Amino acid sequence: DTEVTQTPKHLVMGMTNKKSLKCEQHMGHRAMYWYKQKAKKPPELMFVYSYEKLSINESVPSRFSPECPNSSLLNLHLHALQPEDSALYLCASSASPPGTALETQYFGPGTRLLVL
Amino acid sequence: AQSVTQLGSHVSVSEGALVLLRCNYSSSVPPYLFWYVQYPNQGLQLLLKYTSAATLVKGINGFEAEFKKSETSFHLTKPSAHMSDAAEYFCAVIPSGGYQKVTFGTGTKLQVIP
Repeated sequence: DTEVTQTPKHLVMGMTNKKSLKCEQHMGHRAMYWYKQKAKKPPELMFVYSYEKLSINESVPSRFSPECPNSSLLNLHLHALQPEDSALYLCASSASPPGTALETQYFGPGTRLLVL
Repeated sequence: AQSVTQLGSHVSVSEGALVLLRCNYSSSVPPYLFWYVQYPNQGLQLLLKYTSAATLVKGINGFEAEFKKSETSFHLTKPSAHMSDAAEYFCAVIPSGGYQKVTFGTGTKLQVIP
């Protein structure tokens, strides 16, 4: 089973709302990632969690707040977003952290976010 | 810094024709290389990967890629295109060794003409 699930599939929120994106994997992977993908662009890395600890933060604004409650679950909390934050948010996981031969990332289907 | 270049943001082929999507990497040390496919409104799916074993890598859906160190290339090919191959394809690189992030190319959109 190489499945990464993400909920919700679609999300519309106002600039004053607080919402959360959820990502789950049951492959025993110890690294999980959040990416942002704008239309017709490659994914941009936002955060990496390795063994449930935040290991990479790509200078993401504080209105995005990641959380890794356990090794299977990754959340992205959203607050006071801007319209330019509208994008596809992808979660991925890998067996081990970046930089090793096992670091094949498996992606979820994404959450399409629209900020009004 | 590691980078990948994908030549051609759009490629059109006829159904049944050869598919060739180009990817070149910049690195003095051979990295780990990947090809991902993204269908509309979906996440990325791993097609194949090179991790310094065999230079000709076979992937899913009939795709394969050949690692050529002398050309710093990792082009993706498929002998006969199907309509279902129409999608966006991303080449990606991870430096071998060290703790660094994956870098994606800018993507190539493949159109298959009936």
